[in-house]
Amino acid sequence: GAVVSQHPSRVICKSGTSVKIECRSLDFQATTMFWYRQFPKKSLMLMATSNEGSKATYEQGVEKDKFLINHASLTLSTLTVTSAHPEDSSFYICSARLAGGGPDTQYFGPGTRLTVL
Amino acid sequence: DAKTTQPTSMDCAEGRAANLPCNHSTISGNEYVYWYRQIHSQGPQYIIHGLKNNETNEMASLIITEDRKSSTLILPHATLRDTAVYYCIVRVPLGQFYFGTGTSLTVIP
Repeated sequence: GAVVSQHPSRVICKSGTSVKIECRSLDFQATTMFWYRQFPKKSLMLMATSNEGSKATYEQGVEKDKFLINHASLTLSTLTVTSAHPEDSSFYICSARLAGGGPDTQYFGPGTRLTVL
Repeated sequence: DAKTTQPTSMDCAEGRAANLPCNHSTISGNEYVYWYRQIHSQGPQYIIHGLKNNETNEMASLIITEDRKSSTLILPHATLRDTAVYYCIVRVPLGQFYFGTGTSLTVIP
């Protein structure tokens, strides 16, 4: 149980375009989801916390207008990278926390590799 | 910011126990110690977590010192598939996970 999926797994786009990444909790409901990015050979960096039905909370230094987060349901959160540039190329990972009872932990998706040309 | 210190890398012979240390000398009374691992180009995988008692599950054991300033993750019989980056994270209940640099464990045949 506690499976999180991401789509797409890989995406290549041209500079200036927008890219949407989906994060789904497949077998549980998640009131809170999280978005991370990871550069090569670096650790995961938390970008934002996404709560179902409300605005996301962004970490310091993360541009909220560039990284749009929507958490419209208990099983889906989306991250849209707007006007992507080559420096946005990275590995984007989401995680989800179980709603209600259960262990207080997060379950991570497999990640989405974004390459901006 | 990460509140833990881990060795950058470690090697372990296949079949042997892998003991991964973590220092968290500024841990607060309500913060838990979590361990995750990340195999190359995949999302992190939950391993184990604990508050002050030692914990064991089907993947690993977690030993937390009595003063809670350090802990050790033990993989009892390391296999090649355990080669990964292991992250030790301290976190308040329902709080965010802030990842440090982790330990890159290489299991050697």
